[in-house]
This record gives sequence, structure tokens and C-alpha cells, in this order.
Amino acid sequence: DIQMTQSPSSLSASVGDRVTITCRASQTIIRYLNWYQQKAGKAPSLLIYTASTLQSGVPSRFSGSGSGTDFSLTITSLQPEDFATYYCQQSDSLPFTFGPGTRVDVK
Amino acid sequence: QVQLQQSGPGLVKPSQTLSLTCAISGDSVSSNSVAWNWIRQFPSRGLEWLGRTYYRSKWNNEYDPFVRGRISINPDTSKNQFSLQLNSVTPEDTAIYSCARYNWTSGQFDFWGQGTLVTVSS
Repeated sequence: DIQMTQSPSSLSASVGDRVTITCRASQTIIRYLNWYQQKAGKAPSLLIYTASTLQSGVPSRFSGSGSGTDFSLTITSLQPEDFATYYCQQSDSLPFTFGPGTRVDVK
Repeated sequence: QVQLQQSGPGLVKPSQTLSLTCAISGDSVSSNSVAWNWIRQFPSRGLEWLGRTYYRSKWNNEYDPFVRGRISINPDTSKNQFSLQLNSVTPEDTAIYSCARYNWTSGQFDFWGQGTLVTVSS
């Protein structure tokens, strides 16, 4: 199985901050990397797929980059609705696996 | 707009079978461009993909090795839904179970059910 790690596991930030979350795969996944946002009591919601493609309707302050084993998600100006947990997920090979999540909360 | 509506019991006794159903609207369980998945979420272990069913000239199933042998995911074309059965459950199977559509074109889970907390307890 491909193991996914994320850092940091949590961070505290303020509205307007630039936030970057990193994700690493245990082997190359080319660009088959997705990012999801999850708010309390809700299902995950897709933000970015194939490493850098913004899902329709997702604000442009979200962006993704990377390839191979190292990826990142950046929020350029954090908004109140962005406080949530973020997960990366590889779709290169089965079984699909997720990172452990990064919780973004209010400083 | 695709919607997935889950149903099933929230409490299952140890050694029994966990059964959940995911009803699909806005798409077809027989669609050639998607796969229908079950994913569970633990408070401490995050998200775990369990398996999927999809139609490509015939029905196919693929499962996570960790639960293979205990799991069955089946389509029901007459009701446009699919189901999850997990046998011989233990308290370690307590989690939030969600169905999700996998979009083969873009390689992501683009629509999710609402999630069902299933507790395994006597």
C-alpha cells in the first residue's frame, strides 16, 4: 500500500494568513493526488484533483502543486470558512489511501 | 446534481454483519465512467477506503486487503443503489461509513453520502 503523510498535523492561523500544507507519498504517484476539505459533522469535499486542478466552484485562493512524491496545498488568504481539516488522497493505485489530515484552527 | 443517500442501522452487535445501502440520484449505478465506493472514518486513524463496485461490460469489485474476506459491495440496478456488507464485525469496526462516487475521468471522489456512524457493541 502507498502510505501518505501530511505536515503539520495541525496549525493555528488567522484570517488573511497564507497557509501551506504538505503531503508526501511513500512512492511516486505521478500527479494522482487529491485534496479534500472536511468540516465537523460533514463529508469531505473535493478541493483539488490531479495535484493542481481546482474543482469547479472552489475559490481561487486554494491551489495545489507537486508531483512524484511531494505535494502541497496552499491557501493564499485564509477566510473564516476555511477553518477545517484537510486531507490528501492518492488515486495512483489500489488501495486508495488518505493522509492523516491537517487541522486548521483559529489562532 | 448527483446525490447519495445512505441508510442502515447505527448499532451492530459483535460477530454480526454490518449492512448499509447507498441510493443514487442524478447518475446510474451502471454508469461506465464512475465507480461506487465505501469509505470509513475513524477518529484516530483517519479515512480508510474499503472497496468499490463498477460496471465495465460486466460488474467488477475491488476491496482493500485489510477487509477482504469480510466485505461485499453489491449493485442493485432495479433500485439504482449499492450496498455494503461487512461480516464478523468487532468493536474495531466502529466508524463513520460513507459512500462516495469515484470519477474515473478526473480520478477523485466527487460526491459523498452523508455518512453513517456505526457502533459495534453488545
